[in-house]
Amino acid sequence: AQTVTQSQPEMSVQEAETVTLSCTYDTSESDYYLFWYKQPPSRQMILVIRQEAYKQQNATENRFSVNFQKAAKSFSLKISDSQLGDAAMYFCAYSFHFGNEKLTFGTGTRLTIIP
Amino acid sequence: DVKVTQSSRYLVKRTGEKVFLECVQDMDHENMFWYRQDPGLGLRLIYFSYDVKMKEKGDIPEGYSVSREKKERFSLILESASTNQTSMYLCASQHGREKLFFGSGTQLSVL
Repeated sequence: AQTVTQSQPEMSVQEAETVTLSCTYDTSESDYYLFWYKQPPSRQMILVIRQEAYKQQNATENRFSVNFQKAAKSFSLKISDSQLGDAAMYFCAYSFHFGNEKLTFGTGTRLTIIP
Repeated sequence: DVKVTQSSRYLVKRTGEKVFLECVQDMDHENMFWYRQDPGLGLRLIYFSYDVKMKEKGDIPEGYSVSREKKERFSLILESASTNQTSMYLCASQHGREKLFFGSGTQLSVL
């Protein structure tokens, strides 16, 4: 069975600084998909970024980028120029089937932004 | 934008009660999901449905059932609520290979 591990229950960063959230996963599959979701206090999960395992290039979305290390099964999220609105729970997730996404989630990292 | 609406934001029930959690999406999505979220455990998939009247068990289906009589509505049913089902329940919908859209969750307390 696939597992997703987030070893940092809480992180904090000064506003405008850069922070990296860690995620490792375990799978025997060679083709899969990885995601970072954000859950603000409104509780509605929002997709931040998505990475296809067959792509060597790391995904980026504005201030958000990932460091995908397939051999190490590592998938970290880097947030640049942190803003107060980035404060949230961040969940790393794995999916084998894209479309009909049965996601396996990590336990989450609570990110605090210090003004 | 897609709207996924969960009928209650907070719900308090007694043990042994039959509980219905409702989820409605407004974009004709074929796929719908129910997750439960617990501190330190993340989100875990309870059930999902890829079409009307179609359902598949997720990772933790025990104690739950689902109903999807219409495409826009996916209901989660706790046949006899127990205290260990106190949790946050999140519904999501999806069209094809597009991203998931989540509702705002129902915080269920079973006393």
